[in-house]
Amino acid sequence: SSELTQDPAVSVALGQTVRITCQGDSLRSYYASWYQQKPGQAPVLVIYGKDNRPSGIPDRFSGSSSGNTASLTITGAQAEDEADYYCNSRDSSGNHKVVFGGGTKLTVL
Amino acid sequence: QVQLQQWGAGLLKPSETLSLTCAVYGGSFSDYYWSWIRQPPGKGLEWIGEINHSGSTNYNPSLKSRVTISVDTSKNQFSLKLSSVTAADTAVYYCARASIVVVPAAIKYYFDYWGQGTLVTVSS
Repeated sequence: SSELTQDPAVSVALGQTVRITCQGDSLRSYYASWYQQKPGQAPVLVIYGKDNRPSGIPDRFSGSSSGNTASLTITGAQAEDEADYYCNSRDSSGNHKVVFGGGTKLTVL
Repeated sequence: QVQLQQWGAGLLKPSETLSLTCAVYGGSFSDYYWSWIRQPPGKGLEWIGEINHSGSTNYNPSLKSRVTISVDTSKNQFSLKLSSVTAADTAVYYCARASIVVVPAAIKYYFDYWGQGTLVTVSS
């Protein structure tokens, strides 16, 4: 299967830790990458590879993976982390298709 | 500093052809795949297709019959054409740079730079 599955919505209390997950067969061969998207803006890469953060991304963002599941963890969530989060990888069946998860709306309470 | 700047027509009628171009400033053009991604209003991201500097393409099977992605390496630009558009093609269209890195445990595939997005509306 070429699909990536995410929970549609997750909430977290300010300052607490939240984990957003992404499941798919392709994640056994490809690391998930994670994007943050705020309203009216282009997505921004926050995690790629095993647990790599681009320059400028706070270290409260981290990534992990096990089997067919990848996770994005925000440790000490801030109000500005409220956004949509998408995971992404390439399909592992050899058709070169690129897939995105359906997105998770994160609400910071 | 890498920047992707995109442009193209924002309002189309049904059956017309969508045409967008993305210019890449900074960084290497030949070491990456260059993608088009779209997002219908209120919905998630959908990958349309990609091209590399030599013109090798991959397309989303769901759009393949209507999509053409081309590259102009002399200008560090790549372009998208989507034919026979309908209202279902109304979306914000993004260009993006894709990195592919093979490491022992798995493969890293990620979009590290994005264009600003272009809203394309299809309406009669």
